[in-house]
Amino acid sequence: DGGITQSPKYLFRKEGQNVTLSCEQNLNHDAMYWYRQDPGQGLRLIYYSQIVNDFQKGDIAEGYSVSREKKESFPLTVTSAQKNPTAFYLCASSINRVSGELFFGEGSRLTVL
Amino acid sequence: QQQVKQSPQSLIVQKGGISIINCAYENTAFDYFPWYQQFPGKGPALLIAIRPDVSEKKEGRFTISFNKSAKQFSLHIMDSQPGDSATYFCAASSTDSWGKLQFGAGTQVVVTP
Repeated sequence: DGGITQSPKYLFRKEGQNVTLSCEQNLNHDAMYWYRQDPGQGLRLIYYSQIVNDFQKGDIAEGYSVSREKKESFPLTVTSAQKNPTAFYLCASSINRVSGELFFGEGSRLTVL
Repeated sequence: QQQVKQSPQSLIVQKGGISIINCAYENTAFDYFPWYQQFPGKGPALLIAIRPDVSEKKEGRFTISFNKSAKQFSLHIMDSQPGDSATYFCAASSTDSWGKLQFGAGTQVVVTP
């Protein structure tokens, strides 16, 4: 089955620790995205990548980093510089930048204690 | 600030009733307007989408109405069912935005039996 796999589903970390969230897709999509979801605020774009070895900052990139070394993979690191990291993180992909439709993974819920 | 404003924040409708969710935008470059449906603990999934060359699009019980001059669009869920209970997000993007979607804050819909 084609789709987007995010792991882990739940993650607890202490303040000050970096955390890496995994996102893998087998849809052969060019574009991948990371969104953050907070109650009452919808989804906000963190980073996106249209092609391997290239990525761009979204609206709320501060305190996050990404890499895109393979077409199928787009991991997100939540660094200790992110002031409020507790949130639901969603990875998505699209065929290309023109297609419009995003396919989402099931999300990773990060709680920083 | 949010580029797409969505209302209401929540609504309760009886089974068989009509659910109506409204969205407004300012950016006239937006040319793609999707609606996503999200169940608790899951990622959003595309429900229906419209482009500004049509004023209405219907898929089953779901209809998007689009008013280009007012810069507004809405989702109507006809004959609402308990299985429609979910959070609904409107979104918008432009062709030159590399597929980046701007999401509304979401509407939690509860359909009572």
